[in-house]
Amino acid sequence: DVKVTQSSRYLVKRTGEKVFLECVQDMDHENMFWYRQDPGLGLRLIYFSYDVKMKEKGDIPEGYSVSREKKERFSLILESASTNQTSMYLCASSLRGYRELFFGEGSRLTVL
Amino acid sequence: KNEVEQSPQNLTAQEGEFITINCSYSVGISALHWLQQHPGGGIVSLFMLSSGKKKHGRLIATINIQEKHSSLHITASHPRDSAVYICAAVTGTASKLTFGTGTRLQVTL
Repeated sequence: DVKVTQSSRYLVKRTGEKVFLECVQDMDHENMFWYRQDPGLGLRLIYFSYDVKMKEKGDIPEGYSVSREKKERFSLILESASTNQTSMYLCASSLRGYRELFFGEGSRLTVL
Repeated sequence: KNEVEQSPQNLTAQEGEFITINCSYSVGISALHWLQQHPGGGIVSLFMLSSGKKKHGRLIATINIQEKHSSLHITASHPRDSAVYICAAVTGTASKLTFGTGTRLQVTL
């Protein structure tokens, strides 16, 4: 019954490495989102996409890029990982208006 | 001041107690989600509300649009209800999702 799948639960990377976080949803949702969650700061939106090949910056896009080549897949890319990108990353998808909102299990990234 | 405020931040209850978590917001919204996050990360949307009240099992969510306030109630609480509960409001013309900071609930035996 898995609806939003994130490729890795735990990753450890070194400063300067390129990091790919993949997210796949099986509900034919238009909207997909990438958030990061940090203690005391809650959930913050990095990027979202409302259609294939469309993307919009969220509140904290610096240091990140995204790709949505197919409707079901939304990738988050850290071009050159830094220690301040150590965080929990959560992918979500929804219909328009945030109906049927589903989250993935999260990817905990540690950058050394 | 955050656009979406939750209270309390932390809550400890004994099994069987009735629990209320509050969410207030200062901007116009079109809907509000109550989310549950267990240790380990995954988040589940419990309810999406735009008016009135919804019930699912022991969980009840209410919203008063005029007063800009929503509540999540848990009846007959159980240790498995221990989690972080987050309200998230659909705000603005761009339909942005704005999150509260969460309420950490621990239910003890």
